[in-house]
Amino acid sequence: ETGVTQTPRHLVMGMTNKKSLKCEQHLGHNAMYWYKQSAKKPLELMFVYSLEERVENNSVPSRFSPECPNSSHLFLHLHTLQPEDSALYLCASSPTSGGAVDTQYFGPGTRLTVL
Amino acid sequence: GQNIDQPTEMTATEGAIVQINCTYQTSGFNGLFWYQQHAGEAPTFLSYNVLDGLEEKGRFSSFLSRSKGYSYLLLKELQMKDSASYLCAVRDSNYQLIWGAGTKLIIKP
Repeated sequence: ETGVTQTPRHLVMGMTNKKSLKCEQHLGHNAMYWYKQSAKKPLELMFVYSLEERVENNSVPSRFSPECPNSSHLFLHLHTLQPEDSALYLCASSPTSGGAVDTQYFGPGTRLTVL
Repeated sequence: GQNIDQPTEMTATEGAIVQINCTYQTSGFNGLFWYQQHAGEAPTFLSYNVLDGLEEKGRFSSFLSRSKGYSYLLLKELQMKDSASYLCAVRDSNYQLIWGAGTKLIIKP
């Protein structure tokens, strides 16, 4: 399998549930990202990991908790979400997190609906 | 604040040419990216510009003017499969990507 994969592709959850999103990259990259994409809005960067260390956390509510056990895997743990958290959650990877010509490669996303 | 502006939606005809504009105001500049995103799919990388001028890749070209804070993506010989959203993103002085909201391109037969 190549590129960046994400599971599940679709997720419906209640506000009291706990769920996790998974991302895996097969590109040998050292940096991974979580983005939130809402309709007609710019991509919102949530978290950045470089060599398994978190280097960026853009004021994301604590109900979103990332985990990066190794440079190929990234998780986003979700708990007590709100309906406004419904969106497409995209994972991306790049060779490094601050390189001048780094290009980010995206997974297909998880469409999350919070009821 | 930092800002990327691009039209929300454009319509063009199969076989024609379309130009999607992107203007930006960012703290510093370290390159501009264009991505294509089909509905329900991942954004895919199209082009990267860091110097002024035109970069051509087959039917797609991307232009940059740093002094004007302006870029465009030019799509030639449009095909139905080009119907997608096109995202403009600028890397700022901290090497953070600042994203536009995307332009939805509708191709009509």
